[in-house]
Amino acid sequence: QQQVKQSPQSLIVQKGGISIINCAYENTAFDYFPWYQQFPGKGPALLIAIRPDVSEKKEGRFTISFNKSAKQFSLHIMDSQPGDSATYFCAASGNRGSTLGRLYFGRGTQLTVWP
Amino acid sequence: DGGITQSPKYLFRKEGQNVTLSCEQNLNHDAMYWYRQDPGQGLRLIYYSQIVNDFQKGDIAEGYSVSREKKESFPLTVTSAQKNPTAFYLCASSIPETSSPYSYNEQFFGPGTRLTVL
Repeated sequence: QQQVKQSPQSLIVQKGGISIINCAYENTAFDYFPWYQQFPGKGPALLIAIRPDVSEKKEGRFTISFNKSAKQFSLHIMDSQPGDSATYFCAASGNRGSTLGRLYFGRGTQLTVWP
Repeated sequence: DGGITQSPKYLFRKEGQNVTLSCEQNLNHDAMYWYRQDPGQGLRLIYYSQIVNDFQKGDIAEGYSVSREKKESFPLTVTSAQKNPTAFYLCASSIPETSSPYSYNEQFFGPGTRLTVL
């Protein structure tokens, strides 16, 4: 059972456009929601993360929007660039029970930004 | 430089052989993790360890084994019981924090080992 559901599986965006990737969860114990970026043949790296006490977090061109009542969060990449072409993973962790001490990852979105 | 080392980058083995993947970190992190990555499957957790001499099964532990004798090292053995071992394996470490009010678990990943079983 996938604890974090991510869509779309792949995304093609024109340079300068906005890339949007969505994730949804059910477990209310989750309280930390990071996004990871992975380039081919490399390990993932943390891009940006949010906690449920805020509805939005922005770092440069990357923004997380968080909707606690809907149990959804999304990554927005403004002014998308070819260098943003990578696989993006959302994830979640919590502070009790089976959510403690580990991350649950979505299946990933392969983003291609063409010039 | 602090970081996570995985070796080798590419590994080939014959079917039926056990193989051990290396993971070393010098970040002084308490927790370490092993993931398997297959196309379209995301990152699936195999085993994780919060502290030396202790580890827990993840979501797909069958056919794998681990040990955690030192804080810096968390080797993964892919046994002959693993039915489909060909995959990209990623090791990670973190200092998970669960102090009130929220958890925090930034994981740092190694470069991965691509295992091919022939």
